[in-house]
Amino acid sequence: DAGVTQSPTHLIKTRGQQVTLRCSPKSGHDTVSWYQQALGQGPQFIFQYYEEEERQRGNFPDRFSGHQFPNYSSELNVNALLLGDSALYLCASSHGLRVETQYFGPGTRLLVL
Amino acid sequence: AQKVTQAQTEISVVEKEDVTLDCVYETRDTTYYLFWYKQPPSGELVFLIRRNSFDEQNEISGRYSWNFQKSTSSFNFTITASQVVDSAVYFCALLFRLVFGAGTILRVKS
Repeated sequence: DAGVTQSPTHLIKTRGQQVTLRCSPKSGHDTVSWYQQALGQGPQFIFQYYEEEERQRGNFPDRFSGHQFPNYSSELNVNALLLGDSALYLCASSHGLRVETQYFGPGTRLLVL
Repeated sequence: AQKVTQAQTEISVVEKEDVTLDCVYETRDTTYYLFWYKQPPSGELVFLIRRNSFDEQNEISGRYSWNFQKSTSSFNFTITASQVVDSAVYFCALLFRLVFGAGTILRVKS
């Protein structure tokens, strides 16, 4: 049973560029949440997708957008990258909106130069 | 507003010592969940325990134990007889959107 998978594992971009991160949820899960973890800090909630719609959103600018596909996988897009966007981006999946059963993926490490 | 405070930024112990990681939370919700996660250097968050607000029973799992006290809004985590493999960053988190504390770095020296 595959857990939550994310791609790519590492990514280097320059300021102003755009990036797309991908997440496949654990088998049987239909909800995907995205978190940003800056170095030395705890993860911060970005948004949550369920039934292909954004259901909840944290305090992140519109440069951060997402999408969920019919197969429940999800993408996180960040436009106009800033140096401060450098972080570990974690994807978590759960069933329904029951985040108490969230499972986390290994994360994508994004470095913006 | 929801908030999680892990006052201990970093703890160093010698192998076989017991260590307690503190977590204090704030929420106005009457129903909530609390979590502890372990994050090794690889980055993946490893789920350790989940507790709902109606269950104040302490729990023990091997060398790990958790003390949940609603009266003090605390959910502390104790590792007994620590091992080098316990070295990691530990996060306490509060549902709904998994509001995380800043984490506690635990270093266990042999």
